[in-house]
Amino acid sequence: QVQLAESGGGVVQPGRSLRLSCAASGFDFSRYAMHWVRQAPGKGLEWVAVIWYDGSNKYYAESVKGRFTISRDNSKNTLYLEVFSLRAEDTALYYCAKSRHSGTTFIDYWGQGTLVTVSS
Amino acid sequence: QLVVTQSPSASASLGASVKVTCTLSSGYSDHIIAWHQQHPEKGPRFLMKVDSDGSHIKGDGIPDRFSGSSSGTERYLTISSLQSEDEADYYCQTWGSGIPVFGGGTKLTVL
Repeated sequence: QVQLAESGGGVVQPGRSLRLSCAASGFDFSRYAMHWVRQAPGKGLEWVAVIWYDGSNKYYAESVKGRFTISRDNSKNTLYLEVFSLRAEDTALYYCAKSRHSGTTFIDYWGQGTLVTVSS
Repeated sequence: QLVVTQSPSASASLGASVKVTCTLSSGYSDHIIAWHQQHPEKGPRFLMKVDSDGSHIKGDGIPDRFSGSSSGTERYLTISSLQSEDEADYYCQTWGSGIPVFGGGTKLTVL
């Protein structure tokens, strides 16, 4: 079955960087677009970034554009999110999610999330 | 601009039915949406996708009590024979020009 396992979260000081990873299994990773979605404490879901199946297209939420970079390694079935210049408002649970198709569409599987806390 | 609107809360009695609404901004009546369920302290779960004609395809293991429908720019999630475990947050998701958009979520309380 589809499994998405995020890692790399932690407590980090404002202005610092972090790299989140998502190990995928149970499906042909190289055929599907992948998303990062975050959820701040007590808040709703906020889409962060998407990368198409072959990495040819990437889109970002305005709130993270220029500070976050999404990438993927199809040989390792792994999705990444590099987060730079972290701010307090980036504190959230970060979910990796699978798209239904090769490009941007609806999400049909979710991971359990990795927590990023930005604090001095 | 594509905007997705949901009522913040809904409630219904155990065993009853409830309809949760997702409203797309004007001009987006042809858009497909997806419904996701999230229990407290858990990751979200895909429930179903709903097309503009009301047809829907459910995710793995989603009970028959869950169904979807459409009318114009509104998309609905109907849960019948409500059970206590249906108490959760429900999110609507769509996309436009490569960018996904989530609604603010509806917190369902089972009375």
